[in-house]
Amino acid sequence: NYMLTQPHSVSESPGKTVTISCTRSSGSIASNHIQWYQQRPGSAPITVIYDDNQRPSGVPDRFSGSIDTSSNSASLTISGLKTEDEADYYCQSYDISWVFGGGTKLTVL
Amino acid sequence: EVQLVQSGAEVKKPGESLKISCRGSGYSFTNYWIAWVRQMPGKGLEWMGIIYPGDSDTRYSPSFQGQVTISADKAITTAYVQWNNLEAPDTAMYYCARASYTSGWRIDIWGQGTMVTVSS
Repeated sequence: NYMLTQPHSVSESPGKTVTISCTRSSGSIASNHIQWYQQRPGSAPITVIYDDNQRPSGVPDRFSGSIDTSSNSASLTISGLKTEDEADYYCQSYDISWVFGGGTKLTVL
Repeated sequence: EVQLVQSGAEVKKPGESLKISCRGSGYSFTNYWIAWVRQMPGKGLEWMGIIYPGDSDTRYSPSFQGQVTISADKAITTAYVQWNNLEAPDTAMYYCARASYTSGWRIDIWGQGTMVTVSS
């Protein structure tokens, strides 16, 4: 199975835009859809992006997802950052098994 | 309201058995998969396995195959994870999640989590 690698942490100021990357170690990023989950401290995860770039109902359109085959990576972009966006973010895909990225801690300061 | 409600926190000793549950409500339980995800203290998410309650089709992560048993009782719309011989490294938060597959796997609902502590 392959791995999904995320930066350990990112930080940005309120109102700005941040992008979190998720790089697939082998095989094409386009082969299997990417999901993104947000986990605030002390809470269960919630899904913010599925199928690479689809937002579940209730997720603000400040959240968007994309894939880039040239870098073999997926990205989660959050615009107009709010302090409530401070959380851990995980990418996830699948092959024979489901694969989670290691998670990225987003600090909004 | 569609929801998954998990059983409460557990404190167990090494070598003991445990079965935790995840009850689905507000939807057709047999038409969606239930995935189980482990989160060790201060760590990331790990996929344990998945079950389709409609026919009990079950798939395990290689890391968890033989270590846990995933099951479901569709009559009471509840899925389970079971351990027969708990160890200290099993200490973690365990989440269930509702999943479906169309063009790819999708989780849309998560349970609130069950904290399992294994300590002598």
